Amino acid sequence: AQKITQTQPGMFVQEKEAVTLDCTYDTSDPSYGLFWYKQPSSGEMIFLIYQGSYDQQNATEGRYSLNFQKARKSANLVISASQLGDSAMYFCAMREATDSWGKLQFGAGTQVVVTP
Amino acid sequence: DTGVSQDPRHKITKRGQNVTFRCDPISEHNRLYWYRQTLGQGPEFLTYFQNEAQLEKSRLLSDRFSAERPKGSFSTLEIQRTEQGDSAMYLCASSSKLAGLPGYTFGSGTRLTVV
Repeated sequence: AQKITQTQPGMFVQEKEAVTLDCTYDTSDPSYGLFWYKQPSSGEMIFLIYQGSYDQQNATEGRYSLNFQKARKSANLVISASQLGDSAMYFCAMREATDSWGKLQFGAGTQVVVTP
Repeated sequence: DTGVSQDPRHKITKRGQNVTFRCDPISEHNRLYWYRQTLGQGPEFLTYFQNEAQLEKSRLLSDRFSAERPKGSFSTLEIQRTEQGDSAMYLCASSSKLAGLPGYTFGSGTRLTVV
């Protein structure tokens, strides 16, 4: 069964605007971690932001913030003030903590294109 | 230490041939992971090691695939009798509980094309 669902295959956003990328997850583990990665066309996976299931506050890292709604099993990424360099694939991933630092499970990704 | 290195970056092989990829993790990281990513999809977990022990293998890892990490440092992923469906990007990552975030550091991947 799919554990991470990203329903938006692609999005266009204008430079300087904010964009929200959706991610829902499925787990029965009370302890888990949620990650967002950026993958530009060059292929490397770049870590953006992390949210632990017990974290009380939503994570923020510069222009990235995570809208964590635990009851809805939702972990949406918000990119504020989009830049042309933000054009890339974005992946949501989950680690279930039954094995600390075990495998990540990824969603299918969302392609973001930032236009001038 | 400049991160996770993967070699080669690109590999083109004929169907039926064997291929081997290498991953050199960050030296302090005791865990090493292999993922496969097909075009337009997210990475799929294949296997991971803690030191030299292979702790988990995905059902995606058929009998034609074998991974090793003999001395707990670099790892190799071998695909025997390659098929066209094996064409993908093979990503390696490493981690350590002591490393803190981002936790997992990915290499740039090996892109395999089977013709």
